Amino acid sequence: QKEVEQNSGPLSVPEGAIASLNCTYSDRGSQSFFWYRQYSGKSPELIMSIYSNGDKEDGRFTAQLNKASQYVSLLIRDSQPSDSATYLCARWGADGLTFGKGTHLIIQP
Amino acid sequence: EAGVAQSPRYKIIEKRQSVAFWCNPISGHATLYWYQQILGQGPKLLIQFQNNGVVDDSQLPKDRFSAERLKGVDSTLKIQPAKLEDSAVYLCATGEAGGYGYTFGSGTRLTVV
Repeated sequence: QKEVEQNSGPLSVPEGAIASLNCTYSDRGSQSFFWYRQYSGKSPELIMSIYSNGDKEDGRFTAQLNKASQYVSLLIRDSQPSDSATYLCARWGADGLTFGKGTHLIIQP
Repeated sequence: EAGVAQSPRYKIIEKRQSVAFWCNPISGHATLYWYQQILGQGPKLLIQFQNNGVVDDSQLPKDRFSAERLKGVDSTLKIQPAKLEDSAVYLCATGEAGGYGYTFGSGTRLTVV
């Protein structure tokens, strides 16, 4: 089983601040990485994907990948109360998409 | 484009009963996955189809779970007999052949009492 580890939280961040979410993975053969957002009672929604080392920015979201350290992160700038959700890190490999347990993020107004 | 359709949305059954879930993928999506998400945990892959063939079912409890994808389109997941620990949300996700990101359906919330 290819493991994906996340701190379950909750992670509490003031509105307007930067939220930093982290994830590590065990399989060096993992090819690509994803961040999904899941609101309570809803299905996961893809918000970012990253395939190569470095940073990838999309609006207020920045994904960072460091394959040497087997580390993926998601930064959310100017955090809004609507960003409060569980964020799932996932890696994709030959065996499909493996998820971490998710980090519960709370944005405090 | 229409999303991934799943039904039913909710199901309550008694233990030892059987239940079936249905998934209709986005048109043209060759790959289909069934995930089980227990409350407070991330989704766990149960089975992966490529068209109508099984790619990976190593984590499917085959003594009670079965799945099929006829004609490479719709898929059904069945549990027989259900146990209390099967209470979870069952998510269907689909993607294009060779694609990495998946689109999830709204899921079926199963409660076994």
